[in-house]
Amino acid sequence: QSVLTQPPSVSAAPGQKVTISCSGSSSNIGNNYVSWYHQFPGTAPKLLIYENNKRPSGIPDRFSGSKSGTSATLGITGLQTGDEADYYCGTWDSNLSAGVFGGGTKVTVL
Amino acid sequence: EVQLVQSGVEVKKPGESLKVSCKVSGYTFTNYYIGWVRQMPGKGLEWMGIIYPGDSDARYSPSFQGQVTISADKSVNTAHLQWRSLKASDTAVYYCVRHRTTITRRPDYFSGLDVWGQGTTVIVSS
Repeated sequence: QSVLTQPPSVSAAPGQKVTISCSGSSSNIGNNYVSWYHQFPGTAPKLLIYENNKRPSGIPDRFSGSKSGTSATLGITGLQTGDEADYYCGTWDSNLSAGVFGGGTKVTVL
Repeated sequence: EVQLVQSGVEVKKPGESLKVSCKVSGYTFTNYYIGWVRQMPGKGLEWMGIIYPGDSDARYSPSFQGQVTISADKSVNTAHLQWRSLKASDTAVYYCVRHRTTITRRPDYFSGLDVWGQGTTVIVSS
């Protein structure tokens, strides 16, 4: 059971938008930065969003992050078949004094 | 170019010890936390722990405290993850990561895991 809660899967047609939610508590998302990662089969995860809504160099602006209270959201617009992957949220948990992840969300392009 | 290069696949028996490595290049090793993330077969990511190579201050997730040891060798810019006695449930891919923070020496000011190694597969089977 992960500390952060994500939907197991989301799907949409090419060109559409999907959003992935990440729900936590005041000890984690509520008082710490959220980051997002995607992982393609057989490869290492890669940072997509850091500090709630910042994109590393090379990440297209189709990917966006936001945070409100104890929840965070990753948005992907202009969905492409190449976006099919697993997506994870992460943050620091002040009670655990450790990093924590969500269980992951599989994005499927219909 | 910032890189984390990990050691190769390991196949071990239950009860054996193991030390896997993560060689860092492209940045000052002692200035950033480096950590480890576990991914069991078909499962999600789990944050295991981090170390600050500048002073070897290590922090562990409660789930992994006492189960593994994280260390760093400043002389060769390399971090290690070590087990004293492996179990079948340790079978997983282990990633080393750079744990970026917005304030130096404050792991709780967690910005993101901005660099990842390629992963080390550990198989524990009798």
